[in-house]
Amino acid sequence: AQTVTQSQPEMSVQEAETVTLSCTYDTSESNYYLFWYKQPPSRQMILVIRQEAYKQQNATENRFSVNFQKAAKSFSLKISDSQLGDTAMYFCAYNFGNEKLTFGTGTRLTIIP
Amino acid sequence: KAGVTQTPRYLIKTRGQQVTLSCSPISGHRSVSWYQQTPGQGLQFLFEYFSETQRNKGNFPGRFSGRQFSNSRSEMNVSTLELGDSALYLCASSLALAGFVPYEQYFGPGTRLTVT
Repeated sequence: AQTVTQSQPEMSVQEAETVTLSCTYDTSESNYYLFWYKQPPSRQMILVIRQEAYKQQNATENRFSVNFQKAAKSFSLKISDSQLGDTAMYFCAYNFGNEKLTFGTGTRLTIIP
Repeated sequence: KAGVTQTPRYLIKTRGQQVTLSCSPISGHRSVSWYQQTPGQGLQFLFEYFSETQRNKGNFPGRFSGRQFSNSRSEMNVSTLELGDSALYLCASSLALAGFVPYEQYFGPGTRLTVT
């Protein structure tokens, strides 16, 4: 069974700094998809970024980028120039070609003014 | 386009009762997935419906069931409620056209169920 591990339950960083959230996963599949979702205090889950395993290039989305290491089964999220609105729970998720997302336990990120 | 809507937003039930939660997907989306979110177990996949058929199922007891209507709206039912069923229930919709590529899932605001 696929598992997703987020080893940092909580993190905090000063506004405008850069922060990296860690995620590792376990799968025997060669082709799959990885996601980072953000859940702010309002509770609405929002997709931040997605990575396709067969693509070697790391995905980027404005201030958000990933470091995807397929051999190490690692998928970290880097947030540059962090903003107060980035305060949220961040979930790493895995998907193998269907609509079932397997989530990690989440990292609570607090941006300090 | 309107987002995913879930009703009701909050619900309080007594142990042993049953409950039905509703989810209206984004217009044009044919797949609806349900997730349970609790502090202890995190986010867990319940099931996914596509074109009125259950296509994927998570590891939940048979007390948890769902269905999807021809307009893609979905309902989730929990019978014989237990205290441990208290959770935030999230619904997500996606285009989910045929093929391997998973489409982006758009989540609703959730239904907070409290079982007393």
